[in-house]
Amino acid sequence: GEDVEQSLFLSVREGDSSVINCTYTDSSSTYLYWYKQEPGAGLQLLTYIFSNMDMKQDQRLTVLLNKKDKHLSLRIADTQTGDSAIYFCAESLPTSGTYKYIFGTGTRLKVLA
Amino acid sequence: NAGVTQTPKFQVLKTGQSMTLQCAQDMNHEYMSWYRQDPGMGLRLIHYSVGAGITDQGEVPNGYNVSRSTTEDFPLRLLSAAPSQTSVYFCASSMEGGEVGWGKTEAFFGQGTRLTVV
Repeated sequence: GEDVEQSLFLSVREGDSSVINCTYTDSSSTYLYWYKQEPGAGLQLLTYIFSNMDMKQDQRLTVLLNKKDKHLSLRIADTQTGDSAIYFCAESLPTSGTYKYIFGTGTRLKVLA
Repeated sequence: NAGVTQTPKFQVLKTGQSMTLQCAQDMNHEYMSWYRQDPGMGLRLIHYSVGAGITDQGEVPNGYNVSRSTTEDFPLRLLSAAPSQTSVYFCASSMEGGEVGWGKTEAFFGQGTRLTVV
């Protein structure tokens, strides 16, 4: 089946690192993504990783992919109050010659000053 | 570029009423989709389209209809609104790469429509 799971809440202090975790069940995903949703807004792509990579770094963001365990994580270094948002993990799955996105439940990150 | 535009931003309906949520994109994207977002449930796919004239059902299609007469527009129709359809609705579009796995398939989202059915 297709399922993407995340914990619902994470709270960190400003300046600390945040680690948001995601597990997925379908191993045929081609890309895995992290999207950020700020209050009252739509989702915006933060970063992505191709399924044959195991790590990607982009400024303060580090994505780790463990294909064997079907586990994806997003690490935000030096977390700031502006990072407070909901973070969604997503995967794109091939289906009938095209693809579809499956999103996780979202993790609400609260950064404490 | 405007990106993905959804209207209205807010709507209140009475049970049994029908309405259409509008979605338009100006990026010439082939792939468009509708999601609903409910607390603790993430985004669930309602319907999607891989090009003009082609639509398919997602995870939660019941109670909703779609059509895709042009590349730009992908309206979502609620046939007879029910309180269970109270949600935030997002439209998204992305480039359809043909071969699965071609390129980075970023989805661009609209700002959302907050719908309340009373």
